[in-house]
Amino acid sequence: SYVLTQPPSVSMAPGKTARITCGGNNIGSQSVHWYQQKPGQAPVLVIFYDSDRPSGIPERFSGSNSGNTATLTISRVGAGDEADYYCQVWDSSSDHWVFGGGTKLTVL
Amino acid sequence: QVQLQQSGPGLVKPSQTLSLTCAISGDSVSGKSATWIWIRQSPSRGLEWLGRTYYRSKWYYDYAVSVKSRIIINPDTSKNQFSLQLDSVTPEDTAVYYCARGHYVSGAYKGMDVWGQGTTVTVSS
Repeated sequence: SYVLTQPPSVSMAPGKTARITCGGNNIGSQSVHWYQQKPGQAPVLVIFYDSDRPSGIPERFSGSNSGNTATLTISRVGAGDEADYYCQVWDSSSDHWVFGGGTKLTVL
Repeated sequence: QVQLQQSGPGLVKPSQTLSLTCAISGDSVSGKSATWIWIRQSPSRGLEWLGRTYYRSKWYYDYAVSVKSRIIINPDTSKNQFSLQLDSVTPEDTAVYYCARGHYVSGAYKGMDVWGQGTTVTVSS
């Protein structure tokens, strides 16, 4: 089955730009979706179709996808952005949704 | 505004059946703009997609290989809800279980945009 690889953790100072990667074989040919999960809460969709934002998600959240890496970028990070972030794709070879292992974003 | 409300027991004995329900408000379980999904989360497995059901002139069902022999996802149009049934559970099935909506607009997928509140299920005697 398709494997998505994320770094376990990313740390960033407030006001800076955080980038969270999601690696997969030729992931650039697929649509990637990103979710934010805060402790004790259900995940929240923050990016779909590589770079589209649902209504209500700040413009500080953006996404890109090319080659073997998709990236979630969060600009001007603040304490409210501390959370786990998960990437997701549809694995057409198995007809399964697949999630990455998640990245914990810490705002220093 | 679409909302999903989960219900079901938090404790299940080994070898028994885990049963959860997800009640839908603001959308229809048989609507053509959605798929209805169950996902679980545990420290050992992370977020794991379990399966989905959806209606496109007939009902469709897709299940994860890891649970395919033990799972049933059932829509209930009379109550506008869908359920998860997982048979022969073991302690490895201990997890937080979520229901979610996969949303489509004009055939284009828009992500899992609505989630239930989550149910912590422990498998233990």
